[in-house]
Amino acid sequence: AQSVAQPEDQVNVAEGNPLTVKCTYSVSGNPYLFWYVQYPNRGLQFLLKYITGDNLVKGSYGFEAEFNKSQTSFHLKKPSALVSDSALYFCAVRDGRGRYSTLTFGKGTMLLVSP
Amino acid sequence: DAGVTQSPTHLIKTRGQQVTLRCSPKSGHDTVSWYQQALGQGPQFIFQYYEEEERQRGNFPDRFSGHQFPNYSSELNVNALLLGDSALYLCASSVTRVFDEKLFFGSGTQLSVL
Repeated sequence: AQSVAQPEDQVNVAEGNPLTVKCTYSVSGNPYLFWYVQYPNRGLQFLLKYITGDNLVKGSYGFEAEFNKSQTSFHLKKPSALVSDSALYFCAVRDGRGRYSTLTFGKGTMLLVSP
Repeated sequence: DAGVTQSPTHLIKTRGQQVTLRCSPKSGHDTVSWYQQALGQGPQFIFQYYEEEERQRGNFPDRFSGHQFPNYSSELNVNALLLGDSALYLCASSVTRVFDEKLFFGSGTQLSVL
């Protein structure tokens, strides 16, 4: 089965500083990787995805993610954090083949951006 | 354009009872997936419906069942509730013929089992 791991329960960063939220993956075959964000009392929102191609993927709200095959990592990054970025972030991997595949999520990382 | 809508938003039940949660997918979406998110955990896949049939199922007991209607809306039923069923239940919709898994999630139903 495909899986992702998020080694940090929480990441703290000051506003204006760069941020990184870590994710490593374990898959057979080519990985399809995703980042989602969850704000309080809300469902998950899609941020970005890696299917193939450039290792640096750009997404919503100024976020980007770097795919590293040798390190089996897919870290989420942003050059300058905002207080409004504070939320719960989930890394996910496509599980299964064909049209009925699903997403398997990590346990999540809480990002706290201080003013 | 309404996104994914779920009802109710909150629900309190007692052990042994049965519950039904409802989901209307985003307009134009034909596939509905259900996830369980326990406190402090990531969403866990329950099952997926397309063309009114269950197409994929996660590691959940058969106390968890579902249904998809011709208008693509869906229900999640849980029988014989246990305390451990307390969680946020998320519905996600997508377009099956597009293989990119950009799921659109509802805000969820918070189920508390006492």
